[in-house]
Amino acid sequence: NAGVMQNPRHLVRRRGQEARLRCSPMKGHSHVYWYRQLPEEGLKFMVYLQKENIIDESGMPKERFSAEFPKEGPSILRIQQVVRGDSAAYFCASDRAGELFFGEGSRLTVL
Amino acid sequence: AQSVAQPEDQVNVAEGNPLTVKCTYSVSGNPYLFWYVQYPNRGLQFLLKYITGDNLVKGSYGFEAEFNKSQTSFHLKKPSALVSDSALYFCAVRDQNTNAGKSTFGDGTTLTVKP
Repeated sequence: NAGVMQNPRHLVRRRGQEARLRCSPMKGHSHVYWYRQLPEEGLKFMVYLQKENIIDESGMPKERFSAEFPKEGPSILRIQQVVRGDSAAYFCASDRAGELFFGEGSRLTVL
Repeated sequence: AQSVAQPEDQVNVAEGNPLTVKCTYSVSGNPYLFWYVQYPNRGLQFLLKYITGDNLVKGSYGFEAEFNKSQTSFHLKKPSALVSDSALYFCAVRDQNTNAGKSTFGDGTTLTVKP
């Protein structure tokens, strides 16, 4: 999918644990968008990051969720003290010429 | 504000028949409209887009979509469906001033093509 890499593809956590999802954008891109896809729903924007900057986090839940994109390495979406309602597919994307290119997603299951 | 509606959760067609997946939108400025396809356990893949120009847009895998400004619609079509077209389809919209990553997505329509 145009080089956006996400891992892990699947992650299982128990309630109260932490989940860390990683995303590397397309080669040469220094920005990523994160989305959450709940079952039977479309994608919901969470956060837009550039290297070392959070540009727009208007879609991020106020608590337990954070995101970063360090100068070196992938972007990380971190969910602390996971609850069952966090079970979802999390996608990241970068864009080129107005088109979004998505990773394969990370599917989080909270037991 | 921007929004998009996909009124059908599910569309079933027989292989070889034409298919239509509906999408209507609301946006304050000029609309930029997109269709994406998602196969099971995969990410979304771009199919086609309308920015400006001809109302009939052709995209990947033989799909096309028609922009209708008066009806605020952007329905996805294909003249002859294949079983391999079975997937989840998402319509997305933004206006010309909105960052691509902040497009609004519909809830998706599951297309099932039966042999």
